[in-house]
Amino acid sequence: QVQVVQSGAEVKKAGSSVKVSCRTSGGTFSNNAINWVRQAPGQGLEWMGGIIPVFGTPEYAQKFQGRLTISADESTNTAYLELGGLRSDDTAVYYCTRGEMTSMVQGVYWGQGTLVTVSS
Amino acid sequence: DIQMTQSPSSLSASVGDRVTITCQASQGISQFLNWYQQRPGQAPQLLIYDASTLETGVPSRFNGTGSGTVFTFTISSLQPEDFATYYCQYYDNLPLRLTFGGGTKVEIK
Repeated sequence: QVQVVQSGAEVKKAGSSVKVSCRTSGGTFSNNAINWVRQAPGQGLEWMGGIIPVFGTPEYAQKFQGRLTISADESTNTAYLELGGLRSDDTAVYYCTRGEMTSMVQGVYWGQGTLVTVSS
Repeated sequence: DIQMTQSPSSLSASVGDRVTITCQASQGISQFLNWYQQRPGQAPQLLIYDASTLETGVPSRFNGTGSGTVFTFTISSLQPEDFATYYCQYYDNLPLRLTFGGGTKVEIK
């Protein structure tokens, strides 16, 4: 059974950076894509970027180019999202979601979400 | 970039009603389309993948159809636990991309 567990809530100052972790268990880590999605309060879902650990090269949404880094550590089955230059409108719940390699479907398994609050 | 337009943005319905939500892609996406349910304070849950395949454990009152640019999601008989927000999502593997529709909030009439 696949489980996706994220790190805990963060409170950050505007201009700083935040790093959120996402550990998966069950199934193969390396070949399954990890995508990061965020949801601002009362808003919809927004894709930020993703990575297939065995390939190592992340893809980013244009909006976050230059201040977003996504990485994966195959030795610990953990993916990371690091967002810099934080602003108040980065306050959101950040989700990681794992795909399913056998069916090539993305967004199958979801973490519990990590609330990031940015204060000025 | 492909855009996903979901409608309506909200609807009111009663228990037992049939509910239909539509998602339109700005260009053809074959059947690379998922539907999710999200309850307040929870992560999205995958209901249907590849436009029409029911995820394991999801009740059969949920149904998805479509391919290309127009997709439909139906709840055949609305249950109390179905009041939630629903999202469509296009996905691509190479390169990785997820694009969400704006969501449909299903409320109690």
